[in-house]
Amino acid sequence: EAGVVQSPRYKIIEKKQPVAFWCNPISGHNTLYWYLQNLGQGPELLIRYENEEAVDDSQLPKDRFSAERLKGVDSTLKIQPAELGDSAVYLCASSSEGGKHNEQFFGPGTRLTVL
Amino acid sequence: QQQVKQSPQSLIVQKGGISIINCAYENTAFDYFPWYQQFPGKGPALLIAIRPDVSEKKEGRFTISFNKSAKQFSLHIMDSQPGDSATYFCAASYAGKSTFGDGTTLTVKP
Repeated sequence: EAGVVQSPRYKIIEKKQPVAFWCNPISGHNTLYWYLQNLGQGPELLIRYENEEAVDDSQLPKDRFSAERLKGVDSTLKIQPAELGDSAVYLCASSSEGGKHNEQFFGPGTRLTVL
Repeated sequence: QQQVKQSPQSLIVQKGGISIINCAYENTAFDYFPWYQQFPGKGPALLIAIRPDVSEKKEGRFTISFNKSAKQFSLHIMDSQPGDSATYFCAASYAGKSTFGDGTTLTVKP
């Protein structure tokens, strides 16, 4: 069974440019999470989806970040425009039932460098 | 606001020794406490987890000890091996939302 797939794995952009990350969760997992992980820190939740509904986006900087999960399967996270401080690893995770204590399965992440 | 504090930041242990990582939380609403293991270039992977109605959970060489009154929990790795060298994150969860500690980088010397 394939795990959580993320692409690209690495992205280098100039500041003020847009960037998008894609995530395909484990088949059948209805809950999808986007996390930001700064160097030397733990993951911080950006947004959580239950199917196609964003149930927790309180930590998403909505002035420049947006996300979508139109068909309740794969998801895209976008930053526009990117800033130097956005350099981090963006992790996607999925679980079978987010409201319960089910294991979150993480993808390998996308490492973003903003120059 | 740091709701989950993890220590130490780094840890070096000899092969065969015991590795101990500690976490403390503030929010008493947390009701699920997982530990994750992360290797370089990989995402975190669940190692072991505990609910607050038990004081200890053991899976192989990994044990979680939980002290509800002190709002603390710890991970013990017995007979530590070089392959255990990784970054370990504790987390505290409520209603499907997890708050992570800042991680402990474990190095097990052969």
